[in-house]
Amino acid sequence: GAGVSQSPSNKVTEKGKDVELRCDPISGHTALYWYRQRLGQGLEFLIYFQGNSAPDKSGLPSDRFSAERTGESVSTLTIQRTQQEDSAVYLCASSLARRLEAFFGQGTRLTVV
Amino acid sequence: AQKVTQAQTEISVVEKEDVTLDCVYETRDTTYYLFWYKQPPSGELVFLIRRNSFDEQNEISGRYSWNFQKSTSSFNFTITASQVVDSAVYFCALSEGGSGYALNFGKGTSLLVTP
Repeated sequence: GAGVSQSPSNKVTEKGKDVELRCDPISGHTALYWYRQRLGQGLEFLIYFQGNSAPDKSGLPSDRFSAERTGESVSTLTIQRTQQEDSAVYLCASSLARRLEAFFGQGTRLTVV
Repeated sequence: AQKVTQAQTEISVVEKEDVTLDCVYETRDTTYYLFWYKQPPSGELVFLIRRNSFDEQNEISGRYSWNFQKSTSSFNFTITASQVVDSAVYFCALSEGGSGYALNFGKGTSLLVTP
């Protein structure tokens, strides 16, 4: 596609439920990143994928968070047993290679009630 | 510790004024990259510029210019003759070797340009 696509754009879920967020990167982009943006804050790095290499999960805030990516295609971020502090906008970005500019999707706004 | 500091939380200017957004970074790496992104009210982050640590040349792109000074660890962004459409949150970010050169963002500066 022309840009990074994320779905859903909005998600409201009850505390304790699991949610799955999807990211479709720009075709040909080998690097994919997930970030979280809490209200009025900067972006926090969550996880990085590069091709078929093992992901860098150093930014994941807890073991309730996990992500997958198959090759250089779609990625999913899963949050289990959601908590209210998980409410945020989750942004996905891709780039041709690491070190280069990353292009962001419009994000998924997650609200945990 | 915050690696990128954007000391200005909010700036308000009148259209046609020039405005400078400050960014100070901290790193021990010799190879790193600096970025500016714009986040308009729609929410999508828009890439503006990328500079590597070995290139201190200032850059101008239309009404936008950037001043990179390694001596003061700063990468400031100036908008000349601001316009209402420039209203957005602007983020400065640092990319080092860890985590695939993931971006380490500042907290952003909210710029409001009024007519």
